[in-house]
Amino acid sequence: QQQVKQSPQSLIVQKGGISIINCAYENTAFDYFPWYQQFPGKGPALLIAIRPDVSEKKEGRFTISFNKSAKQFSLHIMDSQPGDSATYFCAAIKGGDFGNEKLTFGTGTRLTIIP
Amino acid sequence: NAGVTQTPKFRILKIGQSMTLQCTQDMNHNYMYWYRQDPGMGLKLIYYSVGAGITDKGEVPNGYNVSRSTTEDFPLRLELAAPSQTSVYFCASSYSRSGANVLTFGAGSRLTVL
Repeated sequence: QQQVKQSPQSLIVQKGGISIINCAYENTAFDYFPWYQQFPGKGPALLIAIRPDVSEKKEGRFTISFNKSAKQFSLHIMDSQPGDSATYFCAAIKGGDFGNEKLTFGTGTRLTIIP
Repeated sequence: NAGVTQTPKFRILKIGQSMTLQCTQDMNHNYMYWYRQDPGMGLKLIYYSVGAGITDKGEVPNGYNVSRSTTEDFPLRLELAAPSQTSVYFCASSYSRSGANVLTFGAGSRLTVL
């Protein structure tokens, strides 16, 4: 059972454009939503994260938008650059006593920024 | 500061062979994890450990074993390799068990079983 659905599977965006990756979840107990960025040949690394008590979080060119009622959240990359080309994973986890072993990952989006 | 180090980076196995993927971290993290990554499937947890001497199964543990004799090391053992175990394996660690705590991943080990 896939608890976090991610789309699209791959995305090509022109340099300077906006990249948008979407995720949807089913479990309303999820209360922490991180995004991981993975460059080719490397392991994933935490990019940005959000809790559902806010609708948006921005860090530089990266923004997470969160829609609690729709159970959806998305990553926006403004002014996309070739260096942003990577695979992006959304994830979700319940709060309380649950640990990282309960972290549920989306299926990933391969983003390619073309000149 | 090396972080999480995985060896080997690449390995080809024949069906039925066994091998151990090594993982070591130098951050004194208590919590360590093994994931496998398959195309279009995201990251699936194989095993995890909350401290030396304590391990537990994740979502896809069949065909694998782990041990945690020290805080630093968390090897993953594949017994009787099968083509379904062809994947990229990632080891990760975290300072605390909290879901809000950052996972630090290694660079991965690409395994092919023929």
